Amino acid sequence: NAGVTQTPKFRILKIGQSMTLQCTQDMNHNYMYWYRQDPGMGLKLIYYSVGAGITDKGEVPNGYNVSRSTTEDFPLRLELAAPSQTSVYFCASSYSTLEAGNTIYFGEGSWLTVV
Amino acid sequence: RKEVEQDPGPFNVPEGATVAFNCTYSNSASQSFFWYRQDCRKEPKLLMSVYSSGNEDGRFTAQLNRASQYISLLIRDSKLSDSATYLCVVRRDYNQGGKLIFGQGTELSVKP
Repeated sequence: NAGVTQTPKFRILKIGQSMTLQCTQDMNHNYMYWYRQDPGMGLKLIYYSVGAGITDKGEVPNGYNVSRSTTEDFPLRLELAAPSQTSVYFCASSYSTLEAGNTIYFGEGSWLTVV
Repeated sequence: RKEVEQDPGPFNVPEGATVAFNCTYSNSASQSFFWYRQDCRKEPKLLMSVYSSGNEDGRFTAQLNRASQYISLLIRDSKLSDSATYLCVVRRDYNQGGKLIFGQGTELSVKP
């Protein structure tokens, strides 16, 4: 029962470096999301995807890019890491219709520090 | 104004107390409503969905008032294990992408 799997769990980056956070789900969900959570704050939506080949910006997309080449995978790329991107990142997925259920499933989070 | 706003915390209560969390949302096209629980350094997990008629799950009761755009969560007979951050979550209408919008969370600490 894998659910949503994201890697790496922890990473320290230097300013200006780039990296990709990987996310995969095995529930055949159409919708996938990337959120970030800063200390003491709620989750803010970075990007989301309603299906393979379709991505849209969320509230805080600047500094990030995503792709959705398959239903299962939704990687998040940081091109030029900045200290402001130090945060916890959560990938999530859900069904696309109310009839199919509303539960959103989260990965365990990726702790990213930019120094 | 944030789209979803919650009571600022933290709430510090003794075991056995009843505690209520409030949440308001600004987008009237919001379609679905939830309470999520998040333990320290963990991912959020669904506590319960919130229905217009109100719903109960053991010691937890959720209420929704669409006219006032207000959601609440009541925890009765609180346990030490209830200590966590509670997130109010609103799902936009699918015509607006069906996105989930999270409140900032209200921290609950239940003391012996």
